[in-house]
Amino acid sequence: AQTVTQSQPEMSVQEAETVTLSCTYDTSESNYYLFWYKQPPSRQMILVIRQEAYKQQNATENRFSVNFQKAAKSFSLKISDSQLGDTAMYFCAFLKTQGGSEKLVFGKGTKLTVNP
Amino acid sequence: DAGVIQSPRHEVTEMGQEVTLRCKPISGHDYLFWYRQTMMRGLELLIYFNNNVPIDDSGMPEDRFSAKMPNASFSTLKIQPSEPRDSAVYFCASSTLTTTSGKETQYFGPGTRLLVL
Repeated sequence: AQTVTQSQPEMSVQEAETVTLSCTYDTSESNYYLFWYKQPPSRQMILVIRQEAYKQQNATENRFSVNFQKAAKSFSLKISDSQLGDTAMYFCAFLKTQGGSEKLVFGKGTKLTVNP
Repeated sequence: DAGVIQSPRHEVTEMGQEVTLRCKPISGHDYLFWYRQTMMRGLELLIYFNNNVPIDDSGMPEDRFSAKMPNASFSTLKIQPSEPRDSAVYFCASSTLTTTSGKETQYFGPGTRLLVL
């Protein structure tokens, strides 16, 4: 079974600085998807970024980018130029692409606070 | 597109009452998921449907929980009778399987915050 580990329960960063959130996962699958979701205080789950395991290039979405290390099974999220609106819980998630299962496996989350 | 729509957004009920949560997936999406989020257990998948058919309900906690999807644009999650330990945020999500990129992203609704007194 797949597992996702987020080792940082809480982090904080100053506005305009850069922060990196860690995520590791365990799987025997060769192809899969990885996601970062953001959950602000409103509780809405918002997709931040996704990575397909067969793509070597790291995904980027504006100020958000990932460092995907397939051999190390690591999938960290970098937030550049942090903004107050980035304050939220961030969840790393894994989805395998074969075998008929659509189950997203989530980590426990990292609570990020951006300070003014 | 309006995204995934859930109702009600908040529900407060008394123990023993029936609770029905509703979800409208994104148009054209053929997968629908129900999740529950609590502080203790995090995000848990309860059940998911493909083309209105339940595929995996192994996450449904017990017989008090039931889910239906009578058509492609509507699903319900029912708890009868409700208990205080059912208090949580319940999310509905939808996705679609493309032929080019494989399994697609799950898009979440705003959630229903349920409190059972």
